[in-house]
Amino acid sequence: SQQGEEDPQALSIQEGENATMNCSYKTSINNLQWYRQNSGRGLVHLILIRSNEREKHSGRLRVTLDTSKKSSSLLITASRAADTASYFCAPISLAGNQFYFGTGTSLSVIP
Amino acid sequence: ETGVTQTPRHLVMGMTNKKSLKCEQHLGHNAMYWYKQSAKKPLELMFVYSLEERVENNSVPSRFSPECPNSSHLFLHLHTLQPEDSALYLCASSQAASGRAGGELFFGEGSRLTVL
Repeated sequence: SQQGEEDPQALSIQEGENATMNCSYKTSINNLQWYRQNSGRGLVHLILIRSNEREKHSGRLRVTLDTSKKSSSLLITASRAADTASYFCAPISLAGNQFYFGTGTSLSVIP
Repeated sequence: ETGVTQTPRHLVMGMTNKKSLKCEQHLGHNAMYWYKQSAKKPLELMFVYSLEERVENNSVPSRFSPECPNSSHLFLHLHTLQPEDSALYLCASSQAASGRAGGELFFGEGSRLTVL
């Protein structure tokens, strides 16, 4: 399977806390992308990390990648109620080149 | 105009109806995609078009028929659907039909389909 598997399936935190979600995958990758989806809407690209990168930052987002463990994590610092959404990873494999998504992590940030 | 526009946003149809979903992108991209999103299931990649040619068809039943008349428009024609086909159908576009190129997907807001 070329899709990523996000974990946990659901996460509930208080506003101001950090949120960490994880992605595991099975194939060797070229890059891995994280997307966000507000309820009933389309996905929005957040960040891309290449296979030769270990960490990347974008505003309050921090993504790490461990290719030896075939895993990535997305950290959202100082969460806000507006961060409530589902988060998906898309590992782009070396063999294929398409975007496959899992079931996502549903994040609820309580004001 | 927003980048990727899908119409209609909501559609209710009977199992014997024929309907179509439309997607239009204003980003000058060369690749367009259809995804199906059902509750509790991974997003399902249905079809991929690159420069109007279908490059991926992931074992989708023939009751779903895609059409890409040009690089800006993508349709999904629906015929004799089943209730289990009820889902959110998402259209997306990218500069190239290859995630390895480092590009990203731009999604529309989706068409919520209910089959009675």
